[in-house]
Amino acid sequence: GAVVSQHPSWVICKSGTSVKIECRSLDFQATTMFWYRQFPKQSLMLMATSNEGSKATYEQGVEKDKFLINHASLTLSTLTVTSAHPEDSSFYICSARAGDWSSYNEQFFGPGTRLTVL
Amino acid sequence: DAKTTQPTSMDCAEGRAANLPCNHSTISGNEYVYWYRQIHSQGPQYIIHGLKNNETNEMASLIITEDRKSSTLILPHATLRDTAVYYCIVSGTPGGSNYKLTFGKGTLLTVNP
Repeated sequence: GAVVSQHPSWVICKSGTSVKIECRSLDFQATTMFWYRQFPKQSLMLMATSNEGSKATYEQGVEKDKFLINHASLTLSTLTVTSAHPEDSSFYICSARAGDWSSYNEQFFGPGTRLTVL
Repeated sequence: DAKTTQPTSMDCAEGRAANLPCNHSTISGNEYVYWYRQIHSQGPQYIIHGLKNNETNEMASLIITEDRKSSTLILPHATLRDTAVYYCIVSGTPGGSNYKLTFGKGTLLTVNP
């Protein structure tokens, strides 16, 4: 089955620093990747959609200069939280969808990255 | 995307069928019904999806009413490992330009021994 990995699984950083989270599709090529954020006891909120080789599309209210997304290859997307602050502490989850959507109709989700900003 | 309404929580006895309802009265003709679940502190897991016909796979069955305004996810023999938050989502055709999963609050299913 299709597998999506994230690295790191958890990270603790100081306020003001930047943190990069990687999302990889291990056994399929993902033309589209999605980034979500989930605060405690809340549902997933879509942050942005990225297509390989093009700029990400951000949801309303998500600062594109703060949450930098790069989707440089068909198997890797990165989310960089720049100048992180305690309010950015959250569970960040990526998902990927194959280009050959006739075979893979669903989004495959990564295991998530727990970010704690001190 | 059409909005969905699900009960906040449900209980089910281990070994029994779990029937999770979802209302999506504003669904449009080309929108699909997707079901995902999320076990605590993990990424969501795809369960099943359908357009208008009932669907079944190794995990569950999806029953969609004829008017498509509601659906029911059925876990035929619930186990303790099925305890999770179940999300019913309505969105466009997989691969289409309007395909985007918007998660609501879902239903917390607790399977009891």
